[in-house]
Amino acid sequence: QVQLQESGPGLVKPSETLTLTCTVSGGSISSHYWSWVRQPPGKGLEWIGYIYYTGRTNYKSSLKSRVTISVDTSKNQVSLKLNSVTAADTAVYYCARTQGVLDVKHYFYYMDVWGKGTTVTVSS
Amino acid sequence: DIQMTQSPSSVSASVGDRVTITCRASQGISSWLAWYQQKPGKAPKLLIYAASSLQSGVPSRFSGSGSGTDFTLTISSLQPEDFATYYCQQSTSFPITFGQGTRLEIK
Repeated sequence: QVQLQESGPGLVKPSETLTLTCTVSGGSISSHYWSWVRQPPGKGLEWIGYIYYTGRTNYKSSLKSRVTISVDTSKNQVSLKLNSVTAADTAVYYCARTQGVLDVKHYFYYMDVWGKGTTVTVSS
Repeated sequence: DIQMTQSPSSVSASVGDRVTITCRASQGISSWLAWYQQKPGKAPKLLIYAASSLQSGVPSRFSGSGSGTDFTLTISSLQPEDFATYYCQQSTSFPITFGQGTRLEIK
């Protein structure tokens, strides 16, 4: 049974870089997409981006200038870097295995396995 | 971006009730809609994908329907463990977007 575990600092100072790691256990990182999703306190879910195990990425356009998602297949890990953070980046951050399904000419995506999430607070 | 609007934002119901939650997309998304359940302090859990396909292990009292712009999630007979917040999600075009959530509360 695949399990995901997010890790990283719980507190980040404004203007600094948030770095999180998602470790995948019980299965291979290969042949899947891996998304990062965040949830500000008391609010809904926001997709940040995904990476395919080959390294191909897709980011939310409004975050694209600040986000980097990378994969290390040898460690079965996916990482998220978000730079120049502000208080608006305070949230619970989730990694999620993402299924990509080809329908005619288009891929569709849904997230079938989630980590427990890690809380990141941006504050000085 | 495709906007996903859920209604109602919150609903109160009793154990045994039948409940329907609606999700409307700002443009057509074919049948590529997913539904998630989230309990307080927990990660979301996939319930339904492709509008009506039940994820493995999810009880059959959950069902989904719809295509194009209008979708529904139905819980046929509410159980105590079903009280949670429910989100819809589209991926027809990037960015992947979620509805604002529907909170299902005990009456």
